[in-house]
Amino acid sequence: AQKITQTQPGMFVQEKEAVTLDCTYDTSDPSYGLFWYKQPSSGEMIFLIYQGSYDQQNATEGRYSLNFQKARKSANLVISASQLGDSAMYFCAMIFTGGGNKLTFGTGTQLKVEL
Amino acid sequence: DSGVTQTPKHLITATGQRVTLRCSPRSGDLSVYWYQQSLDQGLQFLIQYYNGEERAKGNILERFSAQQFPDLHSELNLSSLELGDSALYFCASSEGGLTASYEQYFGPGTRLTVT
Repeated sequence: AQKITQTQPGMFVQEKEAVTLDCTYDTSDPSYGLFWYKQPSSGEMIFLIYQGSYDQQNATEGRYSLNFQKARKSANLVISASQLGDSAMYFCAMIFTGGGNKLTFGTGTQLKVEL
Repeated sequence: DSGVTQTPKHLITATGQRVTLRCSPRSGDLSVYWYQQSLDQGLQFLIQYYNGEERAKGNILERFSAQQFPDLHSELNLSSLELGDSALYFCASSEGGLTASYEQYFGPGTRLTVT
């Protein structure tokens, strides 16, 4: 069965510093997609970044980048120059082509950015 | 703003009752997904519709049902409600249902409280 693991329940980072949120996955499907979503305290789910399993380069979106290490089955999110507004819950998620495109989510990492 | 709308934003109801949650996808998106977020189960996929047809089913209880209408909006019906059904219900939409490369954009969610 496919599984997403986020081992950091909570993390602290100082403003303007970079932070890495860990995500590992388990699948035997060769075709899959990896996503990161942000959920602020207001509750909405905000799409941040996407990486396809066949993409040759790591995805980047502004201050967000995805460190994709296929052999290690990891898809860590790197946030550069953290801002107070980055404080939120972050979810790693995966789509499996054999799974009807449903998203399977990890348990999330609560990030707190401090002054 | 993701472009996905959900109504109502909050719903409080009693055990044994039935409720309907409504979702309008982003313009042009054919796929609609329903997810449940609860404290004990985390984020779980419930069901997906693509252009009016059920595409994939997840951990959806028999008491729950959904449909997607010709105008592509979707409704999630929850009946014989139990206290454990209290959760945040998200609708998400994407362009298509046949590949893993389409980002899913989430609505603001409907917070259901069963008393």
